[in-house]
Amino acid sequence: GAGVSQTPSNKVTEKGKYVELRCDPISGHTALYWYRQSLGQGPEFLIYFQGTGAADDSGLPNDRFFAVRPEGSVSTLKIQRTERGDSAVYLCASSLDWNTEAFFGQGTRLTVV
Amino acid sequence: ILNVEQSPQSLHVQEGDSTNFTCSFPSSNFYALHWYRWETAKSPEALFVMTLNGDEKKKGRISATLNTKEGYSYLYIKGSQPEDSATYLCAFRANSGAGSYQLTFGKGTKLSVIP
Repeated sequence: GAGVSQTPSNKVTEKGKYVELRCDPISGHTALYWYRQSLGQGPEFLIYFQGTGAADDSGLPNDRFFAVRPEGSVSTLKIQRTERGDSAVYLCASSLDWNTEAFFGQGTRLTVV
Repeated sequence: ILNVEQSPQSLHVQEGDSTNFTCSFPSSNFYALHWYRWETAKSPEALFVMTLNGDEKKKGRISATLNTKEGYSYLYIKGSQPEDSATYLCAFRANSGAGSYQLTFGKGTKLSVIP
């Protein structure tokens, strides 16, 4: 497709389980970002990839969160031992480069029960 | 920690009214200010990227201004229509090394246009 695609659109999981969230960026975009929006807040930065490498992972809240982008295209955000506080909308965005317009996906709504 | 504030938090206007809202951001280490429109169940849509003090940008009935010296941007909507109902987000990009990669978002202004 032409836009950023995120799957699944909704995910309900039990506390303590492991989840993976997938992002397919726009073809040719080398920059990829993950953000998280909790209820009542604006999106918060998690991690930025330039190509295959994480150039800035300072927004990951703790070591239960990890993200990969092995071939410089699709990215997966992985959350271990989920907690109820991880419930949020996880947004992915991509851009041609770090300082150009970022295009967002529709997000994955994660609910931890 | 960078502070980006948006006001008001929510706004109800009648169809045809014009409206505006505010984004305030740090006045130092400025690189860019982004505005997004986020409709329910859709992707956030980029409206403007503003980089220069005094910038004014326009897209149809929506326009934005930028004052980097005092750290604020205004978004204006002329003749609001029901399809303008959305949350409007601003995001600040710093000119400071690794922090430049991140957009720091405000909490948004939720606009409801009543037919």
